[in-house]
Amino acid sequence: EAEVAQSPRYKITEKSQAVAFWCDPISGHATLYWYRQILGQGPELLVQFQDESVVDDSQLPKDRFSAERLKGVDSTLKIQPAELGDSAMYLCASSLGGPSGYTGELFFGEGSRLTVL
Amino acid sequence: AQRVTQPEKLLSVFKGAPVELKCNYSYSGSPELFWYVQYSRQRLQLLLRHISRESIKGFTADLNKGETSFHLKKPFAQEEDSAMYYCALSVNDMRFGAGTRLTVKP
Repeated sequence: EAEVAQSPRYKITEKSQAVAFWCDPISGHATLYWYRQILGQGPELLVQFQDESVVDDSQLPKDRFSAERLKGVDSTLKIQPAELGDSAMYLCASSLGGPSGYTGELFFGEGSRLTVL
Repeated sequence: AQRVTQPEKLLSVFKGAPVELKCNYSYSGSPELFWYVQYSRQRLQLLLRHISRESIKGFTADLNKGETSFHLKKPFAQEEDSAMYYCALSVNDMRFGAGTRLTVKP
């Protein structure tokens, strides 16, 4: 069964360093999401892509976070410089997307847990 | 702005007892609401969506527009229902509540 792949699973870094997370969605899924989940809270949307275009990045702290999905397939989320408050689980999800394909079912990866020291 | 509130962080019931996980939302239009579940060591996954009016694993959820609620219910809880449950609201994107951890005791 096809799954969303994320790497790395765990990342420990020092503040002010750069961090990057990678996500490979389910083949054929046009919509890709990056969520941040702080311990004890629900997932918070950072950015949503439709193919290679950003649909919503209103919650993305653009002074330090960036995201790209250059060919409309896999995606990278970068943080530079990392801060202590960035420690969280970073979840990637994908869905069929589009007016005829959207069902509300997001397929999640296992997540990348970031610890900033 | 749309928002989802799950007032209970923790909920504990005994096996065979009824369970209700509460969800309230704020949105002025017609919402699309969902329940997602995360079992231990598994990925977050869709449990059910309100438009389907389906029962999944014995769970049902009814949309009450007057009370802006979408509570998740099951008449007889099982130990395997122990998990983290998230209510979610979809408008232009999917917004999640903070989640409720359900523990079903033997």
